[in-house]
Amino acid sequence: DQQVKQNSPSLSVQEGRISILNCDYTNSMFDYFLWYKKYPAEGPTFLISISSIKDKNEDGRFTVFLNKSAKHLSLHIVPSQPGDSAVYFCAASAKSSGDKLTFGTGTRLAVRP
Amino acid sequence: DVKVTQSSRYLVKRTGEKVFLECVQDMDHENMFWYRQDPGLGLRLIYFSYDVKMKEKGDIPEGYSVSREKKERFSLILESASTNQTSMYLCASRLAGAKNIQYFGAGTRLSVL
Repeated sequence: DQQVKQNSPSLSVQEGRISILNCDYTNSMFDYFLWYKKYPAEGPTFLISISSIKDKNEDGRFTVFLNKSAKHLSLHIVPSQPGDSAVYFCAASAKSSGDKLTFGTGTRLAVRP
Repeated sequence: DVKVTQSSRYLVKRTGEKVFLECVQDMDHENMFWYRQDPGLGLRLIYFSYDVKMKEKGDIPEGYSVSREKKERFSLILESASTNQTSMYLCASRLAGAKNIQYFGAGTRLSVL
């Protein structure tokens, strides 16, 4: 049972344009959401997070939006840069489950120069 | 900066061998985690530990065990390696009571022949 889903395995975007990565979840107990970026041969690195009491969090070029009624979150990268090319994982946790992270399957972003 | 170090980047083992994967973190984090990453499946939690001597099963603990004798070190043990345990193994740590952000090591790519 995949509680966190990233339905797009890959995305290709032109440099300078917006990248939008999507994530859906099924567990209504999730109260904290994160995005991680992973380069080949490296571990995932934390990018940005959002609590369920908010609907938007911004950090430089990265913005995460949370739509609780739709159980959907998205990561916007503006403007996209070639160095953003990586695999992006969304993750979710619930205090009721001891804050364990449940990860999606990842979306591979390619930013074309 | 948090540093999570996994002792080996690449390992090749034979079926039936006992395999030890070591992870050390230098930030005095209480919580540590072991995941495996497989294509199309994202990161799946194998075992975790909230503190020294403590261990909890994750979502896919079968065929694995762990050891946490010291706070900074968390070992994953494959009692009798099998080919379906060929995977990328990722260790992570987290400061208890802080924001639910886990910090990852670079990973160990294990091949079981």
